[in-house]
Amino acid sequence: DQQVKQNSPSLSVQEGRISILNCDYTNSMFDYFLWYKKYPAEGPTFLISISSIKDKNEDGRFTVFLNKSAKHLSLHIVPSQPGDSAVYFCAAIINYGGSQGNLIFGKGTKLSVKP
Amino acid sequence: DTGVSQDPRHKITKRGQNVTFRCDPISEHNRLYWYRQTLGQGPEFLTYFQNEAQLEKSRLLSDRFSAERPKGSFSTLEIQRTEQGDSAMYLCASSQTPVEKNTEAFFGQGTRLTVV
Repeated sequence: DQQVKQNSPSLSVQEGRISILNCDYTNSMFDYFLWYKKYPAEGPTFLISISSIKDKNEDGRFTVFLNKSAKHLSLHIVPSQPGDSAVYFCAAIINYGGSQGNLIFGKGTKLSVKP
Repeated sequence: DTGVSQDPRHKITKRGQNVTFRCDPISEHNRLYWYRQTLGQGPEFLTYFQNEAQLEKSRLLSDRFSAERPKGSFSTLEIQRTEQGDSAMYLCASSQTPVEKNTEAFFGQGTRLTVV
């Protein structure tokens, strides 16, 4: 049972334009969401996160939006750069009483930014 | 601190052999996680430690898999009697507790296991 779903395996965007990566989840107990970026032959690198009590978090070119009623989040990259080309993973977590549970990942979306 | 370190980066082994991977977390991090990633999938949780205590191990894939963190610092993941289906990237991550705003885990570069 896939609790975190990334339904688009790949996305191709022109340099300078906006990239929008989507993620859906099924477990309403998730209270924290993260995006990781992964280059080939490397481990995932943390990108940006959002708490379930917020609907938006912004960090430079990266913005994450959360729609709790729809159980949907998205990552916006503006403007997209060729160096952003990587696999992006959406992950979710349940924090019980301040302790950290494990991260549950989606299958990833491969972003290609063309010059 | 250079981040989470994993050794080896690559391992090729014959079916039936035992393998052991090592993970050195970021020094001040109490939590250490092991994940497995196969082609086309996201990282899949295996187990985690709070200091030296293994708090969750029910997700280990079979009784051939075991993990230790004897002194609450580095950890090892052992796979006994390897099978071809064990071929994957094994990722280690660490994080700091207690959790407040920053709950991200920091990943190592992984160990790529190939069972032939």
